[in-house]
Amino acid sequence: DTGVSQDPRHKITKRGQNVTFRCDPISEHNRLYWYRQTLGQGPEFLTYFQNEAQLEKSRLLSDRFSAERPKGSFSTLEIQRTEQGDSAMYLCASRGNNEQFFGPGTRLTVL
Amino acid sequence: AQSVSQHNHHVILSEAASLELGCNYSYGGTVNLFWYVQYPGQHLQLLLKYFSGDPLVKGIKGFEAEFIKSKFSFNLRKPSVQWSDTAEYFCAVRPNDMRFGAGTRLTVKP
Repeated sequence: DTGVSQDPRHKITKRGQNVTFRCDPISEHNRLYWYRQTLGQGPEFLTYFQNEAQLEKSRLLSDRFSAERPKGSFSTLEIQRTEQGDSAMYLCASRGNNEQFFGPGTRLTVL
Repeated sequence: AQSVSQHNHHVILSEAASLELGCNYSYGGTVNLFWYVQYPGQHLQLLLKYFSGDPLVKGIKGFEAEFIKSKFSFNLRKPSVQWSDTAEYFCAVRPNDMRFGAGTRLTVKP
């Protein structure tokens, strides 16, 4: 499968714990995006990378959130000191030919 | 606030009925417009996109959308829906980064 992959697909954690998600984009795509989607809403933009450079961050991305793309390939999204309000689907997308291709998402549940 | 509005949260149709899902946006200037579909248990997939040119855009699976600049609208249409079109549909607008509407759930009854 040469699409966007995300790992893990599901994560259950206790409030206060740190979690890290990984996204592997389509290999020739140099733009990578992170979104958050809650029930009944569309995806909300969090941040994006052009190669290894993080070019834009949403106000939704609090200090507890950090994203990296160290070698311009895969990316990680870390949430520190998780809160119940962080429970959501975290989507990754990569862009090629002016189209964004989405991964299956990581569903985070914070207890 | 700048936004993307999808008018219907849940639409229920019988097979062969015609479909129109509304999408309005409030961003000025040049925008790119998209409709994405999410089938149950699957990830978001692009149905169609508009960048410039003919405002009537044809996408996959018989879907089309019309960009009406004066109305800031990009409504999705299909003349005859099938049970397999049951899914959630998202309108998205890209002034700079991608902004999505809240989505419309379509249920097609066989």
